[in-house]
Amino acid sequence: GDSVTQMEGPVTLSEEAFLTINCTYTATGYPSLFWYVQYPGEGLQLLLKATKADDKGSNKGFEATYRKETTSFHLEKGSVQVSDSAVYFCALGTGGGNKLTFGTGTQLKVEL
Amino acid sequence: DTGVSQNPRHKITKRGQNVTFRCDPISEHNRLYWYRQTLGQGPEFLTYFQNEAQLEKSRLLSDRFSAERPKGSFSTLEIQRTEQGDSAMYLCASSSYRGATYEQYFGPGTRLTVT
Repeated sequence: GDSVTQMEGPVTLSEEAFLTINCTYTATGYPSLFWYVQYPGEGLQLLLKATKADDKGSNKGFEATYRKETTSFHLEKGSVQVSDSAVYFCALGTGGGNKLTFGTGTQLKVEL
Repeated sequence: DTGVSQNPRHKITKRGQNVTFRCDPISEHNRLYWYRQTLGQGPEFLTYFQNEAQLEKSRLLSDRFSAERPKGSFSTLEIQRTEQGDSAMYLCASSSYRGATYEQYFGPGTRLTVT
């Protein structure tokens, strides 16, 4: 079945450091890929998406590229801020209903 | 632009009781989804509706769970004879078709605690 594997957290970085959160997936067909973010005390928010191979999704300085050959969708940001501290979820969408299959989430903590 | 709303936000119930949660989607969205999230895990798909039709149910959705969307607007999720294992955050999402895929927007969730 469909599955998503994310790097385990927590990840602790200093402000302005480079961020990579790894995400790999297993799916039949051509899923859409998503990153969601959950800030403390808030609900899940869509961060970015990609719908086909080699697409790059980007938002708020975050980027991720849909790599079909490596079945990956790694999240990157060049310079993190304290305000980026949150839990990040990688997800794939499949089927006519585009139901989402999520990874377990990666907690990011950014310190001054 | 109001987002997805869910009520109640928190529910504490005794084992064996029935509970019902409500979700109001973004008004122009015709698809509505329910997910369950336990601590330290990602959300797991339960079911989804297109308008009033329930089109898919996960095998996670046991016979004690039922979801409805009677007029294609709000939805309810009922759990009968609750068990301690039902304690979780129940998330609702609605979606719009944008950029070659359905983007799902989530509500704040209803946290259920079964004692």
